[in-house]
Amino acid sequence: EVQLVESGGGLVQPGRSLKLSCLASGFTFSNYGMNWIRQAPGKGLEWVASISSSSSYIYYADTVKGRFTISRDNAKNTLYLQMTSLRSEDTALYYCARIAARARGVMDAWGQGASVTVSS
Amino acid sequence: DIVLTQSPALAVSLGQRATISCRASESVRSSMHWYQQKSGQQPKLLIYGASNLASGVPARFSGSGSGTDFTFTIDPVEADDIATYYCQQSRNDPLTFGSGTKLEIK
Repeated sequence: EVQLVESGGGLVQPGRSLKLSCLASGFTFSNYGMNWIRQAPGKGLEWVASISSSSSYIYYADTVKGRFTISRDNAKNTLYLQMTSLRSEDTALYYCARIAARARGVMDAWGQGASVTVSS
Repeated sequence: DIVLTQSPALAVSLGQRATISCRASESVRSSMHWYQQKSGQQPKLLIYGASNLASGVPARFSGSGSGTDFTFTIDPVEADDIATYYCQQSRNDPLTFGSGTKLEIK
């Protein structure tokens, strides 16, 4: 069974940093690209960042570019999102999502999400 | 960025057909996908490539369209289908989502 489990969320003050992790199991993690998607309270879905299977290609939404860093450790089956200079508008549930094989941009598995609250 | 427009809500009787539309601000060809998000849960892929049923998804769900106009259909609607449905395009970066359509039961 494909599983994605996020961790590392919490309450953080504006301007501080936080690092999310997403542990993958049930599939060959190193074969898949991955996304971070976020959802602000009561709002819709927003793509945050993407990373290819070998980390060769990395993309960010303009809203987080320069502040967030996506990375992965294929030996540990883990995806990361390092978030710095956090703002109140970064408050959201952060999902990691697997990019389907041979279907660019399609997300066929999602984690339960990690909650990030940015507030003083 | 490509903007995807969905109507905010739809009320349908059990056993009837629900049709949700998604309009793109420019052509996405067939790179449109649909997700279901139940309250308190993560999104789930239902349809990819405009009309392809994702693995394990019941045939009550279907999708159609190309270019800028897309339709997602549930027929017949069951009580378990209460959720918000999002369209998402992958034709152009950045990936974008519609604002979601909340399906309610009459």
